[in-house]
Amino acid sequence: DGGITQSPKYLFRKEGQNVTLSCEQNLNHDAMYWYRQDPGQGLRLIYYSQIVNDFQKGDIAEGYSVSREKKESFPLTVTSAQKNPTAFYLCASETGTMNTGELFFGEGSRLTVL
Amino acid sequence: KQEVTQIPAALSVPEGENLVLNCSFTDSAIYNLQWFRQDPGKGLTSLLLIQSSQREQTSGRLNASLDKSSGRSTLYIAASQPGDSATYLCAVEYNNNDMRFGAGTRLTVKP
Repeated sequence: DGGITQSPKYLFRKEGQNVTLSCEQNLNHDAMYWYRQDPGQGLRLIYYSQIVNDFQKGDIAEGYSVSREKKESFPLTVTSAQKNPTAFYLCASETGTMNTGELFFGEGSRLTVL
Repeated sequence: KQEVTQIPAALSVPEGENLVLNCSFTDSAIYNLQWFRQDPGKGLTSLLLIQSSQREQTSGRLNASLDKSSGRSTLYIAASQPGDSATYLCAVEYNNNDMRFGAGTRLTVKP
């Protein structure tokens, strides 16, 4: 089945540790995104990538890093510099070009800092 | 600043009722608007995508309308069912893959 796979679903981290969230898609989409969701707020964009080996910061990129070495993969690293990392993280990819595409989401990864 | 607002934040209706969810956006220079459904602890599922040149889209019991000039979209759900209970989010896409999300409306349909 085509889709977006995020792992792990749940992750616990001690303060000061870096963690990496995986996002893989087999939809052949060029654009991929990472969002953060907090209770009572809309999704906020962390990073996005429109093509392999290129990515752009979103609204809340501080304390996060990404890579896009393959079209299918867009991992997100939450670094120790992120002051409030406990959140639900969603990865998405987009069909089409020129902002005409439909956004598809993974099932999310919930990160909790102990 | 491009903002997306959804009112109400929560809505509870009896089964069988028709209902309307609202989404408003401050900048009308949009590329498209998308409605999503989110179940607790899950990712978002796309329901309807309306391109900026379109006025509405329909899928089954769902109908979404778009009025760019007034900065509004509505999601109409006909004959609501308990299985429709979820959070519904709207998202507006602007230039350069900039997509802005509302905080969502949490819908409860009571049997």
